[in-house]
Amino acid sequence: NAGVTQTPKFRILKIGQSMTLQCTQDMNHNYMYWYRQDPGMGLKLIYYSVGAGITDKGEVPNGYNVSRSTTEDFPLRLELAAPSQTSVYFCASSYPGQGSTEAFFGQGTRLTVV
Amino acid sequence: AQKVTQAQTEISVVEKEDVTLDCVYETRDTTYYLFWYKQPPSGELVFLIRRNSFDEQNEISGRYSWNFQKSTSSFNFTITASQVVDSAVYFCALPVANAGGTSYGKLTFGQGTILTVHP
Repeated sequence: NAGVTQTPKFRILKIGQSMTLQCTQDMNHNYMYWYRQDPGMGLKLIYYSVGAGITDKGEVPNGYNVSRSTTEDFPLRLELAAPSQTSVYFCASSYPGQGSTEAFFGQGTRLTVV
Repeated sequence: AQKVTQAQTEISVVEKEDVTLDCVYETRDTTYYLFWYKQPPSGELVFLIRRNSFDEQNEISGRYSWNFQKSTSSFNFTITASQVVDSAVYFCALPVANAGGTSYGKLTFGQGTILTVHP
């Protein structure tokens, strides 16, 4: 059981370039999330999705876009990379349940924008 | 607003010492859940525990224990007889609800506490 899989694990982008961070989960979870983790900080929510075709902004959505065409996949798009987007990005998923259920995280993508 | 504060940025202990990681939270909700996650040097986040605000009993799992005190809005985590493998960043987290009162599993995290256990 793979859980949540993110690709790539590492990437260096030049300012102004675009890229898509891929995320897929095989647990049939309805809910999926993208977080970013800056050095010495906790994780901040970028976008989330409660099911295929439904996405919404989190705390820090500027500069990013998402789509959710299937239950399994939740890609994160950076259109014009900026140094402020240098961070570690985590995709996560969870299932609906009473209250909040635990999230399962991918291994992260370390992105550097130069 | 929902907020989680982990005031201890870094803690360093010697193996076999007990260590407590503090977590203080703010929430408007009357019922809520709290979480702890571990981030080892390899970088992934590992779920440790979820507690319901209804249940203030201490939770023990092996060398790990959690003390939940609603009166002080704290959910502290203690590692007994620490080991080098416990070295990691530990995060406390709280669900964040939308205006309608549903969180959909969205979490707000504390800044994390870096724990280093020396041999």
